[in-house]
Amino acid sequence: DTGVSQDPRHKITKRGQNVTFRCDPISEHNRLYWYRQTLGQGPEFLTYFQNEAQLEKSRLLSDRFSAERPKGSFSTLEIQRTEQGDSAMYLCASSPQGITEAFFGQGTRLTVV
Amino acid sequence: SQQGEEDPQALSIQEGENATMNCSYKTSINNLQWYRQNSGRGLVHLILIRSNEREKHSGRLRVTLDTSKKSSSLLITASRAADTASYFCATDEGNYQLIWGAGTKLIIKP
Repeated sequence: DTGVSQDPRHKITKRGQNVTFRCDPISEHNRLYWYRQTLGQGPEFLTYFQNEAQLEKSRLLSDRFSAERPKGSFSTLEIQRTEQGDSAMYLCASSPQGITEAFFGQGTRLTVV
Repeated sequence: SQQGEEDPQALSIQEGENATMNCSYKTSINNLQWYRQNSGRGLVHLILIRSNEREKHSGRLRVTLDTSKKSSSLLITASRAADTASYFCATDEGNYQLIWGAGTKLIIKP
């Protein structure tokens, strides 16, 4: 399968712990996005990379959140000092240059207890 | 914040019937996209309509866009059980950030 893959699929963590999620985009896609989705809602934009450059970052992304995309390939999203409000599905998507339709991974479901 | 609002929030129809769901948005857009989400396949892109287009077809899907009313509709004809999913509209304002509605939950009854 050459789609977008995310790891892990599920993560349960205690409040205050740090978590890191990984996203491997479709190989020829230079654009990568992170979204967050809570139950019954649509996805909310978090951040956007073009190659290795982080070009946009939502105000939703507090200083506890950081994302990287070294070498313009895979990306990681880290949440420090997790809070119960961070519980959500974290979605990664990618798209090729000049195309705005997004190809999504299956997501990482985070539960903070 | 979410830009789009889908209507209805939930829709239950018999297999074979047509399903129509609507989306309203607030700002000027470059394009509007519809996605489907179910537990098996995650979010999947269905169709994109540009701001200068009024109607677009793809298989059993028909999308309309009325930029004067800032609204779009998605019609699924001859529904199948496999169409059971949540459907989202997402708008692109030109900064590559998609703004999403809360979705319409569609249930197809056999």
